[in-house]
Amino acid sequence: GAVVSQHPSRVICKSGTSVKIECRSLDFQATTMFWYRQFPKKSLMLMATSNEGSKATYEQGVEKDKFLINHASLTLSTLTVTSAHPEDSSFYICSADRDSGVEQYFGPGTRLTVT
Amino acid sequence: QKEVEQNSGPLSVPEGAIASLNCTYSDRGSQSFFWYRQYSGKSPELIMFIYSNGDKEDGRFTAQLNKASQYVSLLIRDSQPSDSATYLCAVGQGQLTFGSGTQLTVLP
Repeated sequence: GAVVSQHPSRVICKSGTSVKIECRSLDFQATTMFWYRQFPKKSLMLMATSNEGSKATYEQGVEKDKFLINHASLTLSTLTVTSAHPEDSSFYICSADRDSGVEQYFGPGTRLTVT
Repeated sequence: QKEVEQNSGPLSVPEGAIASLNCTYSDRGSQSFFWYRQYSGKSPELIMFIYSNGDKEDGRFTAQLNKASQYVSLLIRDSQPSDSATYLCAVGQGQLTFGSGTQLTVLP
C-alpha cells in the first residue's frame, strides 16, 4: 500500500515561534496533498489543498499567512505554523492523493503543543 | 456548506454482536463515501468506500448507501474488542468532509 510519513510526530514550541511540519509520500508521487487539523474529541477539518508547483487553496476561515503551505515536489508538502499560539495546539494530519484516485493516504499525524 | 452528521455515541456492544453506525450528508450531489477508523492519538485508517446505492461487503464490514435518503451506514459483524475506536464517516472526492465520529466500545 501507499505510505505517507510526517515529521515530526510530536513537537512542543513556545508561543510566538514558528514550526514546520513535513508530509512525504514515500512510494508514490502525490499531485495533491491535503492538510487537516483535529482538536481533541473533534473531527478532522480540512485546512487546505496543496498542489505541486502551485499555491495552496485554503478553506474558509483558515489564515493563509499563518499556515504557510509549500508543495515543492511530488513527494513533499510542508505546513509552517507561523507565530504559533496556544490555540494552534492541535493534531495536524496530512493526506496524499495518488493519481487523482479515490482513496487518500493519511500520514500518522503531528501533535503540536504551543506553550 | 456541506455537512456530514453522525451520532457521536458512545455506542457500546457486546463482543460478537453487530455494531451499526449511521451517517447522513447534506450535499445531494456527493458521489463518494468513506468509513474510517481512528484509534486515540492516531490518524484515520480507511475501512471501506462506497459509490453505488446498496450494500458493499468486505469481511466483517458492510457499508450501505442510500442516496435518495442521503444516508450511509456501516455494519460490523462479530464485533471484537479491537474494533473499539472512533468511526468517521467522510464524503467527497479529494477534499473530504468528515463527520464528528461515533465512538464505539466493544465489551469483552
